[in-house]
Amino acid sequence: DVKVTQSSRYLVKRTGEKVFLECVQDMDHENMFWYRQDPGLGLRLIYFSYDVKMKEKGDIPEGYSVSREKKERFSLILESASTNQTSMYLCASSRGSPYRGEQYFGPGTRLTVT
Amino acid sequence: AQSVSQHNHHVILSEAASLELGCNYSYGGTVNLFWYVQYPGQHLQLLLKYFSGDPLVKGIKGFEAEFIKSKFSFNLRKPSVQWSDTAEYFCAVNPRSNDYKLSFGAGTTVTVRA
Repeated sequence: DVKVTQSSRYLVKRTGEKVFLECVQDMDHENMFWYRQDPGLGLRLIYFSYDVKMKEKGDIPEGYSVSREKKERFSLILESASTNQTSMYLCASSRGSPYRGEQYFGPGTRLTVT
Repeated sequence: AQSVSQHNHHVILSEAASLELGCNYSYGGTVNLFWYVQYPGQHLQLLLKYFSGDPLVKGIKGFEAEFIKSKFSFNLRKPSVQWSDTAEYFCAVNPRSNDYKLSFGAGTTVTVRA
């Protein structure tokens, strides 16, 4: 079974702090994704990566950056956390085309920014 | 930009009732289609997928979905629900021309009463 793990289930940070969310997958998937999930909005793509050190912006990249130094690890960085970044963050991974839409998700990190 | 619409925000059913969740998308090209499910306290996981071929696809736990190309729809059905089907259901669309992009609907919460 594919396993996607995220470093924290719950996180509370203060406004202005730098926040790191870590994600690791164990199935040698080339693609990794970061989403945020908000009630009534579904999942929105923040960033994705299709290879080590390669990244592309998703629909809502503002206020976020990412890092992928190793194939199995994909980090989401909030440079200066703000209250409107309070959300559930989901990491996912997938194989290459045509299976990129078949994604495997981690358990999520519920981030609260106070 | 493509969008995905799920017709119902919250559906409440009794056990053994039939379930149908509507999903429509706006995208003119060829797409891959998915339903994902998130059971309480669990990861988001794939319920079923459509890539090509028979437009009636079967997934796990007795679910099926029908792709109607002329209506840009991919509705999810289950003839007889169980209490364990209580979950949030997300429709997702993946255009083949840009298959990094998986667009999600807002989700439908299904509550099955025993």
